[in-house]
Amino acid sequence: AQKVTQAQTEISVVEKEDVTLDCVYETRDTTYYLFWYKQPPSGELVFLIRRNSFDEQNEISGRYSWNFQKSTSSFNFTITASQVVDSAVYFCALSEGWGYGQNFVFGPGTRLSVLP
Amino acid sequence: DAGVTQSPTHLIKTRGQQVTLRCSPKSGHDTVSWYQQALGQGPQFIFQYYEEEERQRGNFPDRFSGHQFPNYSSELNVNALLLGDSALYLCASSLTPPGHTEAFFGQGTRLTVV
Repeated sequence: AQKVTQAQTEISVVEKEDVTLDCVYETRDTTYYLFWYKQPPSGELVFLIRRNSFDEQNEISGRYSWNFQKSTSSFNFTITASQVVDSAVYFCALSEGWGYGQNFVFGPGTRLSVLP
Repeated sequence: DAGVTQSPTHLIKTRGQQVTLRCSPKSGHDTVSWYQQALGQGPQFIFQYYEEEERQRGNFPDRFSGHQFPNYSSELNVNALLLGDSALYLCASSLTPPGHTEAFFGQGTRLTVV
């Protein structure tokens, strides 16, 4: 069965600090995709990053970076030099298989508060 | 280019009533999925529609039903509302295969059952 765990319920940091959000997933599929979404108070989920199971290359995109390690089933997300506008709930999500019928399994979320 | 739009934004219903929520997908998207997000939890998959058919369903009772129209818009219907149905209902649109493109989400409908 698919499962996504985000052990950090809430994190508070001071502006300009770096923060890493942890995500651990479970799947029996060899083909799967991992996502990070951000949910500000408005409620809309905002797409941040996507990674497929065949590409473990870690990348940096602006202030965002991620660390995908299949050996530990982890997909951690880092925000560098955090800003107050980064305050939101962050969700890690897993999508398996190929073709239509794709759906997301979301983790419980991590609430990030960036203090000025 | 309008993103995913949902209506209404907020809704209050009485236990036992029926409710219909609506979703218009992002332009060019043909697949609509619905999620239920209880307070303080991650969204949970309800079902997905493609070519006007339900393609996949999560662990939700038959009280939850849906429909997709030829213009790809979709409705979520919930019958015999329970207090536990109170949640944020999110609609997501995406392009059907190949590939797992990112889904675009609407702002949600906040349903309160009293």
